[in-house]
Amino acid sequence: DGGITQSPKYLFRKEGQNVTLSCEQNLNHDAMYWYRQDPGQGLRLIYYSQIVNDFQKGDIAEGYSVSREKKESFPLTVTSAQKNPTAFYLCASSIGKVNYGYTFGSGTRLTVV
Amino acid sequence: SQQGEEDPQALSIQEGENATMNCSYKTSINNLQWYRQNSGRGLVHLILIRSNEREKHSGRLRVTLDTSKKSSSLLITASRAADTASYFCATVTGTASKLTFGTGTRLQVTL
Repeated sequence: DGGITQSPKYLFRKEGQNVTLSCEQNLNHDAMYWYRQDPGQGLRLIYYSQIVNDFQKGDIAEGYSVSREKKESFPLTVTSAQKNPTAFYLCASSIGKVNYGYTFGSGTRLTVV
Repeated sequence: SQQGEEDPQALSIQEGENATMNCSYKTSINNLQWYRQNSGRGLVHLILIRSNEREKHSGRLRVTLDTSKKSSSLLITASRAADTASYFCATVTGTASKLTFGTGTRLQVTL
């Protein structure tokens, strides 16, 4: 079955640690995205990539980093510079430049302990 | 930044009733999409309406778009308990592939 896999489902981070969230898709989609969801605020775009080895900042990129070395993979690193990382993180993909709909992963819930 | 604002923030209806959710946005769009999210899960794409379309149907879903008012509505007819979820509108502007999401409407359908 084609789809997007996010792992882990739950992640706990200590103060000062970097953590990496995994996102893998087997849909042969060119574009991939990372969103953050906080209660009552909808989804906010962190980073997106329309092609391998290229990515752009979204609205809230500070404290995050990404890479796109393979078409299938778009990992997100939450660095220690992100002061309030506790949130639900969603990865999505779409066919190409013109957006006819996203396919979402099931999300990773990150908690700072 | 949020492109869309949804109204109401929360809606509670009984099974069999119709549910209407509204979305307003700020800038010109290429298309507008609606998504559903069950609690703690990823979003699921429901329907897309292009800027040159005024109405689309998909099963029990009906979406309208009024570009002059920069607004859209999602109607779910004959609601079921399984329709309980949050519903988000999202817009595509220009040639960008990225979506900008609204704040969502939480729908509760009771038996």
